[in-house]
Amino acid sequence: SQQGEEDPQALSIQEGENATMNCSYKTSINNLQWYRQNSGRGLVHLILIRSNEREKHSGRLRVTLDTSKKSSSLLITASRAADTASYFCATKSGNTPLVFGKGTRLSVIA
Amino acid sequence: EAGVVQSPRYKIIEKKQPVAFWCNPISGHNTLYWYLQNLGQGPELLIRYENEEAVDDSQLPKDRFSAERLKGVDSTLKIQPAELGDSAVYLCASSPGQGETSGSQETQYFGPGTRLLVL
Repeated sequence: SQQGEEDPQALSIQEGENATMNCSYKTSINNLQWYRQNSGRGLVHLILIRSNEREKHSGRLRVTLDTSKKSSSLLITASRAADTASYFCATKSGNTPLVFGKGTRLSVIA
Repeated sequence: EAGVVQSPRYKIIEKKQPVAFWCNPISGHNTLYWYLQNLGQGPELLIRYENEEAVDDSQLPKDRFSAERLKGVDSTLKIQPAELGDSAVYLCASSPGQGETSGSQETQYFGPGTRLLVL
């Protein structure tokens, strides 16, 4: 079963715009991770945020976590065509394995 | 540092035939995962190894799927016999080890996957 649920399922923006993707989950977590997957490739880890953290930055990425709402958001600023990919959130709870959502497909149009 | 290596990258077989996938994790990574990814979906865990021990295989369809990780390094995933519904991408991932103390231990590193088409 998939705990994380990304929203929207698909997003199309112009180069230079910001892209925001959301992830909602159901049970309490230890951490939440975001991964990127380019077409035909494996997943690449982007950022991990722990349950006691509220915000984290990495380059043009900004992740927030609201444990009271059981939700997280991934913001990509000043998007580039190379950011076109699928983005997945994954939740870690206790000793259970990571559970991935269905992903958001982002298209950045040059 | 070499990443996770998988082979083959693509495989086309007829239903009822056997198929095997191979994975070489990042050197030193104790934990190895096999995932199934259907089109438009996220990865779903099939089996997780800690060294050579399968510690989570609850999602592995054991009637036709099998896996092994001899010597706790490389791993193979086998399907016999394959069915039409097995067409998907099979991803292998590895991580340094089980534990909650370090973020790097919880990050998974994925291979490029094997795209299987069963006709």
